[in-house]
Amino acid sequence: GAVVSQHPSRVICKSGTSVKIECRSLDFQATTMFWYRQFPKQSLMLMATSNEGSKATYEQGVEKDKFLINHASLTLSTLTVTSAHPEDSSFYICSATAGLDGNTIYFGEGSWLTVV
Amino acid sequence: KQEVTQIPAALSVPEGENLVLNCSFTDSAIYNLQWFRQDPGKGLTSLLLIQSSQREQTSGRLNASLDKSSGRSTLYIAASQPGDSATYLCAVRPPGTASKLTFGTGTRLQVTL
Repeated sequence: GAVVSQHPSRVICKSGTSVKIECRSLDFQATTMFWYRQFPKQSLMLMATSNEGSKATYEQGVEKDKFLINHASLTLSTLTVTSAHPEDSSFYICSATAGLDGNTIYFGEGSWLTVV
Repeated sequence: KQEVTQIPAALSVPEGENLVLNCSFTDSAIYNLQWFRQDPGKGLTSLLLIQSSQREQTSGRLNASLDKSSGRSTLYIAASQPGDSATYLCAVRPPGTASKLTFGTGTRLQVTL
C-alpha cells in the first residue's frame, strides 16, 4: 500500500480560485517533504522543500506567494495554489523522506490540477 | 547547477530483449543516484539506489551502474517484459543533509509483445 498519500488525485478549478493539495505520510513521520511539478512528458521540477514547523524553502523562480506550503505536522504538508491560472495546470507530486539518512524517499501518487 | 540528462528519450523494444538506459550528470559531486519508475499519470517508485562510493546495484532483472567521475549511470533491464513499459527517471542527490533530488529528463520505454 501507499506510504505517502496525496489528495485529491484530480481537481478542476476555475481561474482565479485557490486549490489545496494534501500530502500525508502514512506510518512514518516526515520532518521534510518536497513538492515537485511535472508538465506532460517532462521531468520533475523541484518547487520547494517543506519543513515541519518552519517556513518552506522555495527553489529559484517559484513564487512563494502563489504556491503556499504549510507543514503543520510531521505527517501532513499542504500546497495551496492561489489565484490559479490555466498555466498552473500541471501534475504536482510530493515526496517524503524516511530514515535518518534520508535515502528512503516515498512519492505520492500525484495530483492533476486543471485550471479552466 | 546540476543538470541530468537521459538518453534515449524514448525506446521501443520487443519483449525479451535486454536494454540499457543512460543517465548523465554534469556535477560529479553527488551523494547518491537513484533510478525511479513512473507509470503514466502516477507517482514514482524507487527501483535502485547507488551510493556515491558504490559501482553498481542489482535487483532482480535490473542492474544499475555508476561511474561518478565521468558523470554517468546506466540502468540495465534484462529480458524485458510488457509490464516494464513505463518512464524511467534517474535522479541525483547532492552532498549534505537535504534530500533534494535533481531529476533527469526520463526515458519512456515501451515493450511490445
